[in-house]
Amino acid sequence: DVKVTQSSRYLVKRTGEKVFLECVQDMDHENMFWYRQDPGLGLRLIYFSYDVKMKEKGDIPEGYSVSREKKERFSLILESASTNQTSMYLCAGVTSGRPYEQYFGPGTRLTVT
Amino acid sequence: DAKTTQPPSMDCAEGRAANLPCNHSTISGNEYVYWYRQIHSQGPQYIIHGLKNNETNEMASLIITEDRKSSTLILPHATLRDTAVYYCIVRVANQGAQKLVFGQGTRLTINP
Repeated sequence: DVKVTQSSRYLVKRTGEKVFLECVQDMDHENMFWYRQDPGLGLRLIYFSYDVKMKEKGDIPEGYSVSREKKERFSLILESASTNQTSMYLCAGVTSGRPYEQYFGPGTRLTVT
Repeated sequence: DAKTTQPPSMDCAEGRAANLPCNHSTISGNEYVYWYRQIHSQGPQYIIHGLKNNETNEMASLIITEDRKSSTLILPHATLRDTAVYYCIVRVANQGAQKLVFGQGTRLTINP
């Protein structure tokens, strides 16, 4: 079974904190993605990575950064959390063998107070 | 990527076929139609995709009209576990590095 796991299902942080969201996949995905999902706005792409140490900005990268030091791990970093970053964060991966299918993790619901 | 239009919600009785429509009138010749679903509190899940021929897999069937301006996802024998939000997405051919653009989808409720 394909596994994309995220470090936490629920997270509560304070404004101004540095927050790390971790995503780990076990299917040798070349491409990995971070989305956020908000009511009425659907899923929006924050960043993606197509290889180790490579990253590309998505549609809403402001306030976020990413790290991909190893192929199986893609981290999303909130440099200084703000209340408008309260959201559901979803990580996904894609393999070259099935480029049409993005495998999603269960999501992390982040609340910034 | 072409825009899609889906009804916001639908109901279906358990055991019946659920037919979910999607309009994509501005689709280009090299764009595929993808369907994903999202069960409450989970990440989206791939269901099926197609270019112009009808497709079937273990989860569903995809019917694409001849002019490719619309499609229908069919769940042949809906169960309560099929209650979810279903997303129709159109994008250029199988490129793994491409993002998925999710609209609002159709909230499908399967009733016992």
